[in-house]
Amino acid sequence: GQQVMQIPQYQHVQEGEDFTTYCNSSTTLSNIQWYKQRPGGHPVFLIQLVKSGEVKKQKRLTFQFGEAKKNSSLHITATQTTDVGTYFCAGPGGGSNYKLTFGKGTLLTVNP
Amino acid sequence: DTAVSQTPKYLVTQMGNDKSIKCEQNLGHDTMYWYKQDSKKFLKIMFSYNNKELIINETVPNRFSPKSPDKAHLNLHINSLELGDSAVYFCASSQEGGPHGYTFGSGTRLTVV
Repeated sequence: GQQVMQIPQYQHVQEGEDFTTYCNSSTTLSNIQWYKQRPGGHPVFLIQLVKSGEVKKQKRLTFQFGEAKKNSSLHITATQTTDVGTYFCAGPGGGSNYKLTFGKGTLLTVNP
Repeated sequence: DTAVSQTPKYLVTQMGNDKSIKCEQNLGHDTMYWYKQDSKKFLKIMFSYNNKELIINETVPNRFSPKSPDKAHLNLHINSLELGDSAVYFCASSQEGGPHGYTFGSGTRLTVV
């Protein structure tokens, strides 16, 4: 079945440093979604990318969808302590929008 | 005015017991889900319901039985609880074709002792 791989598993940075997490799918995705889960919280939807090569920005966060629609990345510029949490990518499993398959997530910790 | 609410937030119970978790969404979404998050934070889909109809049953043991009385509610009943069922269970909802992804509830932390 479809797999969504995400690296790194953990990332610790000093406040002000940049951070990037990468996501790769074993199959072409119709779309990819990104979520953030704060410690002790629930996943919160950040963004959805649909087009090949798409780049979207949300303040300090930049999301990219690969040309082949099999990989994606999330880049945070100048991290802040409020960025702490686990970032998940997710794509429709087996082509079904009713089955979002999540990557294992990247846990970001930020040292103030 | 919580969008997706699930109860209870915490559940501690003994092995062999039967328990239920309830979920309600007031977003008007047509699809609801149950996800299980294990201790390593891996989120795995269990069930998907679209307009009260079961769409996805992701090889979950028969001890888990979802019920959707209407498209705003999706409950999860678990029989004969086992230690391995300990996890955080998240309910979520979405609108087919919508650009806003899944909206998750705050989760139910189930501990089986």
